[in-house]
Amino acid sequence: DTGVSQDPRHKITKRGQNVTFRCDPISEHNRLYWYRQTLGQGPEFLTYFQNEAQLEKSRLLSDRFSAERPKGSFSTLEIQRTEQGDSAMYLCASSRQGTDSPLHFGNGTRLTVT
Amino acid sequence: AQSVTQPDIHITVSEGASLELRCNYSYGATPYLFWYVQSPGQGLQLLLKYFSGDTLVQGIKGFEAEFKRSQSSFNLRKPSVHWSDAAEYFCAVGAMDSSYKLIFGSGTRLLVRP
Repeated sequence: DTGVSQDPRHKITKRGQNVTFRCDPISEHNRLYWYRQTLGQGPEFLTYFQNEAQLEKSRLLSDRFSAERPKGSFSTLEIQRTEQGDSAMYLCASSRQGTDSPLHFGNGTRLTVT
Repeated sequence: AQSVTQPDIHITVSEGASLELRCNYSYGATPYLFWYVQSPGQGLQLLLKYFSGDTLVQGIKGFEAEFKRSQSSFNLRKPSVHWSDAAEYFCAVGAMDSSYKLIFGSGTRLLVRP
């Protein structure tokens, strides 16, 4: 169990630019989740995948956001035309399928939009 | 709708003192409940979870939590706090439909006095 890995750890970008983050889940986990955490708040659910299928998307995920998990392994989260309000920590988590399997979180990608 | 309330934004305790962090939830059915800990700039680490059975659950690092259905609470406790416990603590309730996503509280920051 090598844990959930996220890359990069930090990203600073100018408003209007596109950014992409990567998440590598724990290898035997078929569920993958993206959360967003703003300063002083708990994480908020964005979307989740079961294998390669994106099964749910939060209303927080505007049309500028897109997530993929093409082979059911790693996932990418892209934000187009970034805005200052997108500045946050983006957390990825994974789990096995099953109601008794807890989420394991990565260390997150801190995005700062200037 | 599911929700989690952590009424204490900050708590300061002396090293060696006991600790209790409060968590109240709103959920229409029997909840799945979690406590996570987050150190600065890091992801979330699972401390403990409650799914069913014994309402007093033991976790890592000497933490325990008690599920009280009548009070809709899941408070976290530790009998003797160590300086390394200083961190942010999040309570979460699991939405036990097909998505298994978590709803988080806004967190309690624990400060430990030497």
